[in-house]
Amino acid sequence: AQKVTQAQTEISVVEKEDVTLDCVYETRDTTYYLFWYKQPPSGELVFLIRRNSFDEQNEISGRYSWNFQKSTSSFNFTITASQVVDSAVYFCALGFTGGGNKLTFGTGTQLKVEL
Amino acid sequence: GAVVSQHPSWVICKSGTSVKIECRSLDFQATTMFWYRQFPKQSLMLMATSNEGSKATYEQGVEKDKFLINHASLTLSTLTVTSAHPEDSSFYICSAIGTRYRYGYTFGSGTRLTVV
Repeated sequence: AQKVTQAQTEISVVEKEDVTLDCVYETRDTTYYLFWYKQPPSGELVFLIRRNSFDEQNEISGRYSWNFQKSTSSFNFTITASQVVDSAVYFCALGFTGGGNKLTFGTGTQLKVEL
Repeated sequence: GAVVSQHPSWVICKSGTSVKIECRSLDFQATTMFWYRQFPKQSLMLMATSNEGSKATYEQGVEKDKFLINHASLTLSTLTVTSAHPEDSSFYICSAIGTRYRYGYTFGSGTRLTVV
């Protein structure tokens, strides 16, 4: 069975602080995909990153960075120098082709960035 | 990039009526579409998966007769909530993947359904 755990329900930071959102996953498949999505108050899901199981390279995109570690089944997301506009719910998700490409979502982490 | 258009954005309907939600892929062919339901402050729960030209596959616990899904073409899938009741009030969101999806799964903007 596929499972995604986001243990942090809510995080509050002050603007310009760095913040890391944790994501731990469980799967028996060797080929899978991990995603991060941002859901602002408007509700739409904004795609942030996709990483396949064979690519453990960390990635940086502007203030965003991701740390994928298969050894600990984690795919953590760090926002550097957070801004108020980063306030949203962030979802980590797991997908695999063998399961009809279904995505399993974590419960999400509400990030609040205050001035 | 890949765009999925979902309509309406919000709808209020009376109890007992049916509501149709449309999900269109604008610039790619969506071979598979997914329908999710999200309650306030909760995660997205997959309701069903639909492949073009085939019957939808529903997740356990989802009533097929209540949530009718049609994927008649490679660019359009619809979700009809039949005989809606207040407990069906929720945020419904679709996503689509095609044969070539550079950006992963593309999501619609969601539909907020309120049944009164």
